[in-house]
Amino acid sequence: DTGVSQDPRHKITKRGQNVTFRCDPISEHNRLYWYRQTLGQGPEFLTYFQNEAQLEKSRLLSDRFSAERPKGSFSTLEIQRTEQGDSAMYLCASSKKLAGGHNEQFFGPGTRLTVL
Amino acid sequence: DQQVKQNSPSLSVQEGRISILNCDYTNSMFDYFLWYKKYPAEGPTFLISISSIKDKNEDGRFTVFLNKSAKHLSLHIVPSQPGDSAVYFCAANRYGQNFVFGPGTRLSVLP
Repeated sequence: DTGVSQDPRHKITKRGQNVTFRCDPISEHNRLYWYRQTLGQGPEFLTYFQNEAQLEKSRLLSDRFSAERPKGSFSTLEIQRTEQGDSAMYLCASSKKLAGGHNEQFFGPGTRLTVL
Repeated sequence: DQQVKQNSPSLSVQEGRISILNCDYTNSMFDYFLWYKKYPAEGPTFLISISSIKDKNEDGRFTVFLNKSAKHLSLHIVPSQPGDSAVYFCAANRYGQNFVFGPGTRLSVLP
């Protein structure tokens, strides 16, 4: 299966700890996105990369959050000094850049973070 | 300020009947709309999309209708099957910008 994969699937941590999540996109996709989803809400955009360049960051992405895509392939999302409000599902998606400009995004299964 | 709204949190439909899921948006600059389906413990899966230059797009049992003047779109599933039971998200974007998702509607198809 060559879909989007995310690791870990679940993470439980104590408040104040740092956590890092990994996303492996579909191999030929040059765009990679991070979203956050809380209960009863749809995915909320956090940031996206085209190849290794981080092109946009949402205001939801506080300075405790950092994302990287060092070689334009996999990406990591780190949350420093976690807070209980960070508890959510973190979704990664990837897509190709199409000539028409619009593109469907393929999502991974998500990492569920619980901050105690 | 929710730009994409799905006002029905849940919907129950009998197997074999039509399911109609609704979505409203406020940003008239949106020009591309998508529906995603999400099962528990999985990421959203793309279902169908429509560009603002069209008012209907069909793919098998799934049809999306777009009413630009009303800023409204709907997803029709006919006939509904138990395997269609999932949360459905409407999403929209403007060319070059990122998707905005609605809060989702949980569809239950009863056998």
